[in-house]
Amino acid sequence: EIVMTQSPATLSVSPGERATLSCRASQSVSSNLAWYQQKPGQAPRLLIYGASTRATGIPARFSGSGSGTEFTLTISSLQSEDFAVYYCQQYNNWPPNTFGQGTKLEIK
Amino acid sequence: EVQLVESGGGLVQPGGSLRLSCAASGFTFSSYSMNWVRQAPGKGLEWVSYISSSSSTIYYADSVKGRFTISRDNAKNSLYLQMNSLRDEDTAVYYCARDSGSYYPIGYFDYWGQGTLVTVSS
Repeated sequence: EIVMTQSPATLSVSPGERATLSCRASQSVSSNLAWYQQKPGQAPRLLIYGASTRATGIPARFSGSGSGTEFTLTISSLQSEDFAVYYCQQYNNWPPNTFGQGTKLEIK
Repeated sequence: EVQLVESGGGLVQPGGSLRLSCAASGFTFSSYSMNWVRQAPGKGLEWVSYISSSSSTIYYADSVKGRFTISRDNAKNSLYLQMNSLRDEDTAVYYCARDSGSYYPIGYFDYWGQGTLVTVSS
């Protein structure tokens, strides 16, 4: 089973600033990496797939990068609606489809 | 508009059973693989089970293997999860989630339902 590790657990950033979230895989997942956003009381929403491709309707301020074992989600200029929990998920070797433990992005 | 609506959650005693349903609309249900993903209170996401579009391929997480059964009815556009021998650690919100690939699964989830809460407690 591939283990996904996200860092940091909590990230405090001011609105308008850039946020950088990291995700590491225990072995290579190529570019088969997705990012999801989850707000309190809501279902997760797909943001990024293929490590860097934005899903339909996702604003351009969200970008993903990386391949192999190291990945990054960048939010270029934080809006109030971006404060949420973010999860990475690998789909290179499944089942199981494994998620990271999440990064909580909070307002500084 | 793609919609996934779960139902069937509730309070059940340890060792009990529950059947979850997920009603799908807004897409050709029979063309997509489907999944159940759960989230314990205050915790992260855990994939639970997968079923292919034709039900020919089924997978389970080790944590539920032998206790949970996934199924689907393409004529009714519905996905199910039969949960038996429930344990305290099965307490979670259960989401149905569509695999992004049409006919051929890819492994990430492009649409999710709103979830249904299962509480296992005496």
